[in-house]
Amino acid sequence: QKEVEQDPGPLSVPEGAIVSLNCTYSNSAFQYFMWYRQYSRKGPELLMYTYSSGNKEDGRFTAQVDKSSKYISLFIRDSQPSDSATYLCAMSLNTGNQFYFGTGTSLTVIP
Amino acid sequence: GAVVSQHPSRVICKSGTSVKIECRSLDFQATTMFWYRQFPKKSLMLMATSNEGSKATYEQGVEKDKFLINHASLTLSTLTVTSAHPEDSSFYICSAYGRGTDTQYFGPGTRLTVL
Repeated sequence: QKEVEQDPGPLSVPEGAIVSLNCTYSNSAFQYFMWYRQYSRKGPELLMYTYSSGNKEDGRFTAQVDKSSKYISLFIRDSQPSDSATYLCAMSLNTGNQFYFGTGTSLTVIP
Repeated sequence: GAVVSQHPSRVICKSGTSVKIECRSLDFQATTMFWYRQFPKKSLMLMATSNEGSKATYEQGVEKDKFLINHASLTLSTLTVTSAHPEDSSFYICSAYGRGTDTQYFGPGTRLTVL
């Protein structure tokens, strides 16, 4: 069983839709949860960073962590064509430790 | 957020030559740097972790004599691909973590093509 599972998609939505991206994990010791956005041929860009359970909102992005279910989500409201990218979830035991990545979900927002 | 740069962004080399990739933290001191490899449409695969002033720790299956990592200062780590072969062609990405950062920050990546 992989440490982190993420549906690779691809996911296509119309502009303005709400997008829901999810990851599940097996290691209950993970405490830090990140979402990265990666455009083609570019490095990952940090979108959201959450410690432990709960919600965090930043503009159109909301990250949720449910440690009891070992499930994390990223919601994108009012999706834009510029949101088209691959979204990677990552998690770690501590901030300076190894990250465990999901496989990434490819998202296309259609104008 | 913190800024990490990589150089070069793209490199093409002949089989058998060595290639050096630099990773720099521009506005913080990186006590730990990570090197990843990414194949097309795949996730990042951790190759090694390097702490400033120490030998790098390599992941299982990664040849340390082929992928030489040096982390001689708090702002610079280098990855040297020695005797490169076409199968080493890939996208190499570094990340850095250190004083004043709350998580790892990634560089823009280096695309290596070995002919």
